[in-house]
Amino acid sequence: NAGVTQTPKFQVLKTGQSMTLQCAQDMNHEYMSWYRQDPGMGLRLIHYSVGAGITDQGEVPNGYNVSRSTTEDFPLRLLSAAPSQTSVYFCASSPLSSNQPQHFGDGTRLSIL
Amino acid sequence: AQSVTQLGSHVSVSEGALVLLRCNYSSSVPPYLFWYVQYPNQGLQLLLKYTSAATLVKGINGFEAEFKKSETSFHLTKPSAHMSDAAEYFCAVSSNDYKLSFGAGTTVTVRA
Repeated sequence: NAGVTQTPKFQVLKTGQSMTLQCAQDMNHEYMSWYRQDPGMGLRLIHYSVGAGITDQGEVPNGYNVSRSTTEDFPLRLLSAAPSQTSVYFCASSPLSSNQPQHFGDGTRLSIL
Repeated sequence: AQSVTQLGSHVSVSEGALVLLRCNYSSSVPPYLFWYVQYPNQGLQLLLKYTSAATLVKGINGFEAEFKKSETSFHLTKPSAHMSDAAEYFCAVSSNDYKLSFGAGTTVTVRA
């Protein structure tokens, strides 16, 4: 199994550009989520989804959009990139149960100039 | 609301020494607790989880953690550190809404 696959692994953008970070999972998990990781702050939840067609905001949603048209895919869109969005982004998935661990992708390292 | 506090952003231990990483949580409902490990340039891997079945939880790579409700703690230990244990460790808590709240992380350095 591939698990959770994120693309691209690295990206450099200019301020104001838009882009989509891709996330796909092959475990038929209902729950998917996006986090950003910044030094000394752990992982913070951006958006999450409990199933196809259902999304909701996490702790730090501003500047990001998501959609969930299929169970497998959960793309994250940066609408107008800002230097404050320079970070490492992780996608995760799990069954729809709070006692089940989330499975993480390898991350996308994003730099905004 | 739920939150996690990890005491100590950096821990340095000698090879063969005890590893102790501290985690305290707050949760308005009985929590589910997790420890994850992150090696450089990789995603997070599950070390172990507490889901109320037993207070002492054994995980991978010789790690274990003890849930203490009275102290709202879930500290991670390993009796004898190995060079391969050098990584960043995250404690996380979940309640009934599927969302995980993470601590700030503790970086472990192992000295030869």
